[in-house]
Amino acid sequence: DQQVKQNSPSLSVQEGRISILNCDYTNSMFDYFLWYKKYPAEGPTFLISISSIKDKNEDGRFTVFLNKSAKHLSLHIVPSQPGDSAVYFCAASSGGYQKVTFGTGTKLQVIP
Amino acid sequence: DVKVTQSSRYLVKRTGEKVFLECVQDMDHENMFWYRQDPGLGLRLIYFSYDVKMKEKGDIPEGYSVSREKKERFSLILESASTNQTSMYLCASSIAGGVGFETQYFGPGTRLLVL
Repeated sequence: DQQVKQNSPSLSVQEGRISILNCDYTNSMFDYFLWYKKYPAEGPTFLISISSIKDKNEDGRFTVFLNKSAKHLSLHIVPSQPGDSAVYFCAASSGGYQKVTFGTGTKLQVIP
Repeated sequence: DVKVTQSSRYLVKRTGEKVFLECVQDMDHENMFWYRQDPGLGLRLIYFSYDVKMKEKGDIPEGYSVSREKKERFSLILESASTNQTSMYLCASSIAGGVGFETQYFGPGTRLLVL
């Protein structure tokens, strides 16, 4: 049972345009959400997070939006750069519990 | 700077062999995790540990065991390797609580091929 879903396995975007990566979850107990970025042959690195008490969190070019009623979050990258080309994982946790559930990942390609 | 290291980047083993994957973190983190990453399946949690000698099963523990004798070291053991355990294995660590405890720091991964 996939509690965190990323329905788009891949996404291509022109350099300078906006990249929007989507994530849906089914567990209503999740109250903290994270995005990780992974380059080939490296481990994932933390990118940005959001608590369920917020609906938006921004860090430079990266913004995460949370829609609790739809159980949906999205990551916006503006403007997209070729160095953003990577696999992006959405993740969620609940109630202060250390375990984090990851999605299947979306491979982003930013075309120069 | 945060550092999680894994003993091997690539491993090739035979079916039935016992395989040890080692992970060391230098951040004094209480929590440590083992995941496997497979195409189309994302990261799946195998086991995690929140303290020395403590362990909890993740989502896919079958065929694996773990050992945590020291705070900085977390080992994943494949008791009898099988071809369906061919995968990328990722170790991670995090603090126990407080601000940012959900954030995990990952090692570079070990790509295991079981023949």
